[in-house]
Amino acid sequence: SQTIHQWPATLVQPVGSPLSLECTVEGTSNPNLYWYRQAAGRGLQLLFYSVGIGQISSEVPQNLSASRPQDRQFILSSKKLLLSDSGFYLCACQGLATAGEQYFGPGTRLTVT
Amino acid sequence: GQQVMQIPQYQHVQEGEDFTTYCNSSTTLSNIQWYKQRPGGHPVFLIQLVKSGEVKKQKRLTFQFGEAKKNSSLHITATQTTDVGTYFCAGPDNYGQNFVFGPGTRLSVLP
Repeated sequence: SQTIHQWPATLVQPVGSPLSLECTVEGTSNPNLYWYRQAAGRGLQLLFYSVGIGQISSEVPQNLSASRPQDRQFILSSKKLLLSDSGFYLCACQGLATAGEQYFGPGTRLTVT
Repeated sequence: GQQVMQIPQYQHVQEGEDFTTYCNSSTTLSNIQWYKQRPGGHPVFLIQLVKSGEVKKQKRLTFQFGEAKKNSSLHITATQTTDVGTYFCAGPDNYGQNFVFGPGTRLSVLP
């Protein structure tokens, strides 16, 4: 089964600083990958998804970007963080089974100060 | 656009009581998934329902997909403190590429 790694686990960054969050996947090849953001006590907001290397689709216009330099690597970036970027960032991988269930990584808690 | 709603937003129960959360979609769904997120954790896949009127059970959890495939429910019998968390439903978007998650129902169980 798939294993999803995310780091760092927690991050505190000042407003205006850059951001780079990394997600790597084991146990599968050519997966669909997703970045979600979850505000405190709220639901999941899909930010980006990727069906292959270099293929990124954005769901919400914002100051974040994503890249997929390798098949099992997905990166979330920002050049200048805003206070509103604070949240819990989750990387997810779509399962191998036809059911299409998503497997989530442990997440990164980002606080922008 | 497609919307997935859940009620209630919060539910506090005494340990041993039953709990039900309801999920409603603005469009007909080909399938629906349920996830559980423990406090401080990440969502974990529980189950997928595909057929109209389908009912599936996992120990004390019963999942149901509506006849019209626009709604679903999760029922927990005799809740335990280990059931604490937020339960999300999710359905495929209109393009079948991604899943749209409901806002979740946060369950608290008082011992």
